[in-house]
Amino acid sequence: DAGVIQSPRHEVTEMGQEVTLRCKPISGHNSLFWYRQTMMRGLELLIYFNNNVPIDDSGMPEDRFSAKMPNASFSTLKIQPSEPRDSAVYFCASSLEPSGVFSSYEQYFGPGTRLTVT
Amino acid sequence: KNEVEQSPQNLTAQEGEFITINCSYSVGISALHWLQQHPGGGIVSLFMLSSGKKKHGRLIATINIQEKHSSLHITASHPRDSAVYICAVTTPQGGSEKLVFGKGTKLTVNP
Repeated sequence: DAGVIQSPRHEVTEMGQEVTLRCKPISGHNSLFWYRQTMMRGLELLIYFNNNVPIDDSGMPEDRFSAKMPNASFSTLKIQPSEPRDSAVYFCASSLEPSGVFSSYEQYFGPGTRLTVT
Repeated sequence: KNEVEQSPQNLTAQEGEFITINCSYSVGISALHWLQQHPGGGIVSLFMLSSGKKKHGRLIATINIQEKHSSLHITASHPRDSAVYICAVTTPQGGSEKLVFGKGTKLTVNP
């Protein structure tokens, strides 16, 4: 298997623009997670899906952020409008978790998307 | 105070040394995770444990639920072990679960 695939790997955009990050989880995995990593705050969970349904989006910083999972093999994280403080590395991960919790199966991380908003 | 604290923040060792990274947490947990982030940025899940001890190659993870403490040990360290090691806990919250991360420990192993 190719592992979790994220695109683009790097994104540079200007403040106010819309940004869409993409993720393809490992085939057969039931849960998908979006994380953000910054120097100041470290890794933070933004949202996670189980069987394509959003389970917990309490980590999404504000209404400018939205995530979708239209099918089992694709998810997007959108920021509109983007701001310089959104600059970070965004990771997607997937696991076999059957019920949307974190306690039973390890997560497999994608390579991340480095976002720079100028 | 962070719910998950790691120590030390930075650690430099010589090849072959025995290394210990510590993680303390202040919340009830259902599982604790150790992750490794390579210098290139990739993240790998090393261990997930809720009690006792797990071993994988030269890596050993232990957890003491009563003391709310976990350690990650690396035996016979090697320069390729240089990475950031991140501790995270799964904590029950309102019928669901929350995942809380420590800030990481940066390990450098010199040849």
